[in-house]
Amino acid sequence: DIVMTQSPDSLAVSLGERATINCKSSQSVLYSSNNKNYLAWYQQKPGQPPKLLIYWASTRESGVPDRFSGSGSGTDFTLTISSLQAEDVAVYYCQQYYNSPLTFGQGTRLEI
Amino acid sequence: EVQLVESGGGLVQPGGSLRLSCAASGFTFSSYAMSWVRQAPGKGLEWVSAISRNGGSTYYTDSVKGRFTISRDNSKNTLYLQMNSLRVEDTAVYYCAKVEGGGSFDAFDIWGQGTMVTVSS
Repeated sequence: DIVMTQSPDSLAVSLGERATINCKSSQSVLYSSNNKNYLAWYQQKPGQPPKLLIYWASTRESGVPDRFSGSGSGTDFTLTISSLQAEDVAVYYCQQYYNSPLTFGQGTRLEI
Repeated sequence: EVQLVESGGGLVQPGGSLRLSCAASGFTFSSYAMSWVRQAPGKGLEWVSAISRNGGSTYYTDSVKGRFTISRDNSKNTLYLQMNSLRVEDTAVYYCAKVEGGGSFDAFDIWGQGTMVTVSS
């Protein structure tokens, strides 16, 4: 199984500042035949289902504010929120969909 | 509006069974693989099972193999999860999720609100 490890477990950032969350996979999730990283990022607020933010490691989902961006390749990935807003307080998860079983990181709690 | 609505959760004793349903609307259900993802109280997300667009291929996490069965009825736009031999550790909110692309494994772009399954004596 591919193990996804996020860092840090929790993060406090001031409003308007940059937030960076890291995700490392135990093996590469880059599929060489199409050069795509099978990596997604989700945001989950209390009492709500997860919401897709980023897929293919760096493609922003429709409707997601452009302050959210994803980067990285192979085994190391980053979710960046360029200017933190109050509504960004949530738990963030990375997920690999390279192979079964699909696996998630343990989550990173983002606070103001 | 694209929507997934789960039902069928509840309280069950260890060793019991439940069948979850997920009603889809607002998109061509038969064109997308689907998955179940669960979240134990206060814990992270755990993928449980996936099914291909036509139901011909199914996938499970090891902890539920032989106990859970995923299926779909494309004529009814509905996804199912039959859960047998339930254990206390199966207690969680169960979400159904639609994949974003055309493969069996893709990011999940649409999630239901979830249904709570509690396994307790």
